Amino acid sequence: SQQGEEDPQALSIQEGENATMNCSYKTSINNLQWYRQNSGRGLVHLILIRSNEREKHSGRLRVTLDTSKKSSSLLITASRAADTASYFCATVPPPYNTDKLIFGTGTRLQVFP
Amino acid sequence: DTAVSQTPKYLVTQMGNDKSIKCEQNLGHDTMYWYKQDSKKFLKIMFSYNNKELIINETVPNRFSPKSPDKAHLNLHINSLELGDSAVYFCASSQTGGGYEQYFGPGTRLTVT
Repeated sequence: SQQGEEDPQALSIQEGENATMNCSYKTSINNLQWYRQNSGRGLVHLILIRSNEREKHSGRLRVTLDTSKKSSSLLITASRAADTASYFCATVPPPYNTDKLIFGTGTRLQVFP
Repeated sequence: DTAVSQTPKYLVTQMGNDKSIKCEQNLGHDTMYWYKQDSKKFLKIMFSYNNKELIINETVPNRFSPKSPDKAHLNLHINSLELGDSAVYFCASSQTGGGYEQYFGPGTRLTVT
């Protein structure tokens, strides 16, 4: 299976703490994306990092990418109860012209007030 | 304004029936997708269309037939429904040809009894 894996599967933290989730993938990639899914809702795009980038920031989100290890991490700083959701990484494997996204298995994040 | 919409939101039906799910996007994107999310939250691409042309056709039973009347609409018809078809089906859209971020609809929860 091409599907990537995320670690941990589930994470529980207190508001104000940082949350880190990791993604490993199997093939070379064009880019890697992170999505959030609130319970019962569709996925929402958070951030995209290209294969030639190593780190990217967006608000309280920080994403790193290590193509030599085929891994990425998503850090959410100063978490809030509203960050409670499932987080998925997704990669664009070759051939890059099909816009095909391969999703990871997801991390369920619970932030307690 | 809803960017990607799907109908219906819930669909409960019996084995052997035929059903359709409709999807529309008002983002002006050329590419649309259907994904299936199973009970373990694994999200897998089924089909993609670019400007009414089938691009991605993963290993999906031929009981599933996508139809794109125009680039803003992508419908999914399922024949002879089986218990294993129970899942949440998501429609998505994106720009074409570069692994762009995808915009997801709210999902259709299909339950086959």
